[in-house]
Amino acid sequence: GAGVSQSPSNKVTEKGKDVELRCDPISGHTALYWYRQSLGQGLEFLIYFQGNSAPDKSGLPSDRFSAERTGGSVSTLTIQRTQQEDSAVYLCASSLMRGAGDTQYFGPGTRLTVL
Amino acid sequence: AQTVTQSQPEMSVQEAETVTLSCTYDTSESDYYLFWYKQPPSRQMILVIRQEAYKQQNATENRFSVNFQKAAKSFSLKISDSQLGDAAMYFCALYNFNKFYFGSGTKLNVKP
Repeated sequence: GAGVSQSPSNKVTEKGKDVELRCDPISGHTALYWYRQSLGQGLEFLIYFQGNSAPDKSGLPSDRFSAERTGGSVSTLTIQRTQQEDSAVYLCASSLMRGAGDTQYFGPGTRLTVL
Repeated sequence: AQTVTQSQPEMSVQEAETVTLSCTYDTSESDYYLFWYKQPPSRQMILVIRQEAYKQQNATENRFSVNFQKAAKSFSLKISDSQLGDAAMYFCALYNFNKFYFGSGTKLNVKP
C-alpha cells in the first residue's frame, strides 16, 4: 500500500474483553513500531520488530499486552482482559530499517475505548 | 533515564509570523538523534525535521529550522512564515538505545 494502515480505526470494548489491533506496514519496511498515546499525552513506546523478531519487549505495560509479526509484514497487538486505563490511541509506524537512520512512517492509529 | 520535556502545552501564532517551540531532553549518551513530529487532527504523525547529535550544524527544512544546543540539551523548533496548515500538535522526540522517547507535545494554533 501507499502508507501504513491500521485497523480498526476505532474500537469500543467492554472491560475484561480481549482486543486485537492490526498494523499493515509499508511494503518492504523491515522495522515496525507500536506506540500508545493517551489523551493529551505524548507517545509511549511499546515494542518494535526487526523482521519477525522483537528484541526488546520491556516497553509493554503489562503481561496482558502481546504483539507478533508474521512474514515480516503485518503485525498484531493483542490486549487481553482489557482495563479502562488501556483506553488510548495505538499508533503503528514502520521504517525501511531499524534505527534513527530511517524515517518512521506512521499509520492513522486505532482509538481504543474500554467501557 | 531518557526524558524529553516540552514546557509549552499550547502556543498561538499569527499567520505569516514566526514561532519557536521549546524542547529539552536528558540523556547520558553522546550519540543520538532528535526529531520534531507534527500531528494534525487526522492523528497521522508526520516527520518535520531530524537532527543528528554529532552534527553541529542546525537542521533546516524549508520554513522549519532547529536551534540545537547540545551542551544545554535543548532542541527548539522555529517555524517561519506560519501557515494555517501548520496548526497541529508538535512532538519533540529523542532516539537512543533503540527506542524513541517523546515529549508531551505542544499544541500550535495559527490565527488568520
